[in-house]
Amino acid sequence: NAGVTQTPKFRVLKTGQSMTLLCAQDMNHEYMYWYRQDPGMGLRLIHYSVGEGTTAKGEVPDGYNVSRLKKQNFLLGLESAAPSQTSVYFCASTRQGIWEVQHFGDGTRLSIL
Amino acid sequence: AQKVTQAQTEISVVEKEDVTLDCVYETRDTTYYLFWYKQPPSGELVFLIRRNSFDEQNEISGRYSWNFQKSTSSFNFTITASQVVDSAVYFCALSGGSNYKLTFGKGTLLTVNP
Repeated sequence: NAGVTQTPKFRVLKTGQSMTLLCAQDMNHEYMYWYRQDPGMGLRLIHYSVGEGTTAKGEVPDGYNVSRLKKQNFLLGLESAAPSQTSVYFCASTRQGIWEVQHFGDGTRLSIL
Repeated sequence: AQKVTQAQTEISVVEKEDVTLDCVYETRDTTYYLFWYKQPPSGELVFLIRRNSFDEQNEISGRYSWNFQKSTSSFNFTITASQVVDSAVYFCALSGGSNYKLTFGKGTLLTVNP
């Protein structure tokens, strides 16, 4: 009964490095979302997906790419990490729509030096 | 455009005090949903309540209660007889229409002191 699992939980990168954050859900949810949380800013939507093979931009998509090759997985990529991307990243999923309660992962704390 | 304002950045109370967290929202949608989430110091996000725009009934759950007023576009959250375990950041959020976006407020940090 894992729900939404994010990997890794912590990571430190150097500027210019690349990495991929993995989000996996075992609830057969159609919709998945990536957010970033910065102090005093609440959560802001980076990208989202309404189903396997589809992705769309959210509020703050620059510098990130995503893929949803399998229904249960939603990957967030940083091609060339920048210090401004230091943040806590949350993945979430809902069964069919944004009006539902979001099931969140525990977050990934990413620091870019 | 959707907007959620939580004007109280930080609130500090003493245990057993009642505290109200304010949430004011803006939307052009006639159908929308409002949420409250709690983020304790451990960092996870915990769902507290969801309310749709057609249901203005207030809700009480134990020490928690919510007051939804469409006339003032507010969805306020009250904790009665606060406890140290209530210390957390509380987020109000809004979703509506065909917009796939869940708009969060910036959160209110509640500290309950013993």
